[in-house]
Amino acid sequence: DSGVTQTPKHLITATGQRVTLRCSPRSGDLSVYWYQQSLDQGLQFLIQYYNGEERAKGNILERFSAQQFPDLHSELNLSSLELGDSALYFCASSASGDTDISPLHFGNGTRLTVT
Amino acid sequence: LAKTTQPISMDSYEGQEVNITCSHNNIATNDYITWYQQFPSQGPRFIIQGYKTKVTNEVASLFIPADRKSSTLSLPRVSLSDTAVYYCLVGRPYNQGGKLIFGQGTELSVKP
Repeated sequence: DSGVTQTPKHLITATGQRVTLRCSPRSGDLSVYWYQQSLDQGLQFLIQYYNGEERAKGNILERFSAQQFPDLHSELNLSSLELGDSALYFCASSASGDTDISPLHFGNGTRLTVT
Repeated sequence: LAKTTQPISMDSYEGQEVNITCSHNNIATNDYITWYQQFPSQGPRFIIQGYKTKVTNEVASLFIPADRKSSTLSLPRVSLSDTAVYYCLVGRPYNQGGKLIFGQGTELSVKP
């Protein structure tokens, strides 16, 4: 158990809809990362937050947004969903600090199916 | 950004030692090397991390030569449950965030 909790585990929705994925990082970790994994794209970095602030952004679509709350949990919002958004969405967390080398610890993901 | 190159797939048999090599020719001075294991439909799991020479933990060893342009993950006496995809990453998580690139990884298949 990595200590990172993601809910829900599975999500089935229709095109055009909006969903919210939730992530609770490991206790004490201030950084949260979101990744998307589809069969043809591998693990793609979406966005990182550190202590509530956006830290780095990857190839995240404008239809997607995220935030990290004061209690450090994070939510990834996906809107105007398309069939191609079907994928596994992983959250990871790591310890903080400019000299930090702590590895990422991943949750078990949310499997999103858009029909 | 340090790009990594790994074999796409490897086959082994139970009880054998498996060595997976990752090339990272443009590794930066401050970069660390980290290996992850991923089973189908699960999140990647941290295996081992190192900067130079040799690191060993309860599941694997990591060998890094002096020039640090490559690294080798060694899995002793693999079992069927070691069948997974193994990723080599180079960087520093906090400072580089999304610049930690997960490549294609190495798909290890362990046969009885």
